Amino acid sequence: GEDVEQSLFLSVREGDSSVINCTYTDSSSTYLYWYKQEPGAGLQLLTYIFSNMDMKQDQRLTVLLNKKDKHLSLRIADTQTGDSAIYFCAENPNDYKLSFGAGTTVTVRA
Amino acid sequence: EAGVTQFPSHSVIEKGQTVTLRCDPISGHDNLYWYRRVMGKEIKFLLHFVKESKQDESGMPNNRFLAERTGGTYSTLKVQPAELEDSGVYFCASSHQRGGDEQFFGPGTRLTVL
Repeated sequence: GEDVEQSLFLSVREGDSSVINCTYTDSSSTYLYWYKQEPGAGLQLLTYIFSNMDMKQDQRLTVLLNKKDKHLSLRIADTQTGDSAIYFCAENPNDYKLSFGAGTTVTVRA
Repeated sequence: EAGVTQFPSHSVIEKGQTVTLRCDPISGHDNLYWYRRVMGKEIKFLLHFVKESKQDESGMPNNRFLAERTGGTYSTLKVQPAELEDSGVYFCASSHQRGGDEQFFGPGTRLTVL
């Protein structure tokens, strides 16, 4: 089975908040990441959180980490059409190998 | 600074043929990684180079896959002979150092085996 799980699809209206959820399995991961992939482009590191933090905010992005439940979420405030993309949650069970989820396709509708 | 580049962007081959994918990392990045995403599933780690040395190839599916990084610059990933289940998007990434250093990803090569 997958080590990192996330829902596959999310549809959100422009201007609303988006919340993408992820569960992971390896409690030894030092960092947890959110990557964004726009059509035709590579993976772009969107944000990350250190494992001893509960929350990280970066402009419209808020990352919440519940280490007890191994649950990570990404909230995008005031979602825009440019936020339409695939979002991947990832953990690093060792110091170089990333373990990704299957990706959540976010569609922003007008 | 140029990012990670991959060639080709798309490749369509028949089962049994050979395909070679190329990755050019960011200049000066010693660490190079290959990942693969098959049929919309999770992105899976294939292998990791430090300079020209393979540090971890535990994710390589089988011996039909051969990765090289001669001279510690660009890397190639050869699939010979290709099978239907090899279809997917192959991503390359590079980083300056290990230990949580950001991995910069290329746009990927979409491989279709018919």
